[in-house]
This record gives sequence, C-alpha cells and structure tokens, in this order.
Amino acid sequence: SSELTQDPAVSVALGQTVRITCQGDSLRNYYASWYQQKPGQAPVLVIYGEDNRPSGIPDRFSGSNSGSTAYLTITGAQAEDEADYYCSSRDSSGNLVLFGGGTKLTVL
Amino acid sequence: QVQLQESGPGLVKPSETLSLTCTISGGSISGWYWSWIRQPPGKGLEWIGHIYYRGSTNFNPSLKSRVTISLDTSKEQFSLNLYSVTAADTAVYYCASFYSSSQNYFDYWGQGTLVSVSS
Repeated sequence: SSELTQDPAVSVALGQTVRITCQGDSLRNYYASWYQQKPGQAPVLVIYGEDNRPSGIPDRFSGSNSGSTAYLTITGAQAEDEADYYCSSRDSSGNLVLFGGGTKLTVL
Repeated sequence: QVQLQESGPGLVKPSETLSLTCTISGGSISGWYWSWIRQPPGKGLEWIGHIYYRGSTNFNPSLKSRVTISLDTSKEQFSLNLYSVTAADTAVYYCASFYSSSQNYFDYWGQGTLVSVSS
C-alpha cells in the first residue's frame, strides 16, 4: 500500500483523553511512528515501535496497533499538546517511507 | 545528541536545480538512513528519499526522476539535488535521520529551511 490515512482534525477537552488514528495496509507489517509538529517548528518524534517514547516525551503519550490501524493516545491532554500529529511507516514493500496527511489536534 | 543542520539557497528559479546540504554533528553516520523530507506551506510532510550509510538510495516514486541524494562521510554531510524545479517544489525542506530495524522512525530532525521557487 502507498497510503496512510489520518483524520484531518480532532478536538479534545482539556484533561480528557483523545485517540488519533492512522490507517494503512503497511501497518499490518510495520509499526507506525508518530510525530508532533507545532507551528514554525520541526516535527518531534513522540512514539515509535510497539509503544516506545523517546526521552523527554511525557508518559501521557502512548501508542497501540490493531490490524491495519495505529493509534496515538494522549491521556489527560494538556494545552501544550495542541499541534499537528503525523504518523509514518514503511510502505508494504519495505523500501519506501510514508507519511499520513496529519491530524490537527485542538485542545478546548 | 545528534544535530542536523540544513544549508543552501532560499530561492531557486523555475527549471533550475535545488541543492541542499545537511551537516551531521554529535553522532556517527553508521547505521542510519539519512533522509530528506519536505513540507509545502500549510500542507503535510512528504518523504523525498534517503541514503543508507553504505550508499544505497530509495526515493519517493513521485520525485524519483528528478532527485539525487549523496553522502560525504569525510565531511559528515549528505546532500539533496532536485532538478527542474517548479513553484510546486516550494516548501520547507528538512533533513532527518531514519532508524530502521524492527522499528522504523525519524529520530533527529534539522530545523528546516524554506526554499522558494520563483523567477
């Protein structure tokens, strides 16, 4: 498959839990990685592999997978989590890299 | 801590070649795929391609006919050439390191550099 699909926009009330989804056939074979991007800044890796956080990423961020869908969950969303979130994965051939279209998260 | 820094012209004329260099510091070139990613204004991320530290390359099929990526291990730099550019190539260009094993992820990113294509 050559596509990863994300919902364009999601909103969450402050302190509540939100799940952002990423769908694609390649996710049956490869884990997704997730990136947070704030305006004017480079993306930052927040989740990789089965459910791994780089140093410095709060533990309210978690990842999970089911079939052809990957999920990024933010448990207890904070105002500073308002950003664009992108998923990424290898394609089904394993030779190329895909990005989802991004999800704009609004914290209300 | 690996740091990446893009450099190159911020303005390129249509039909000419966009050339950018990424300087790697604070880490080893070995073991990683060295990648270019771009983001048109107001749009999402697009993977352009990467070069493995051993020299093999892969490219986005939509750009493959116009792109080369090279690696200079002695200078700890890798470079992007995008040929025959048009206004659609205007974007922020990022270099990044891609770790690939059972897990695949971009762990370090440059700050990005805006390249505009205009006469």
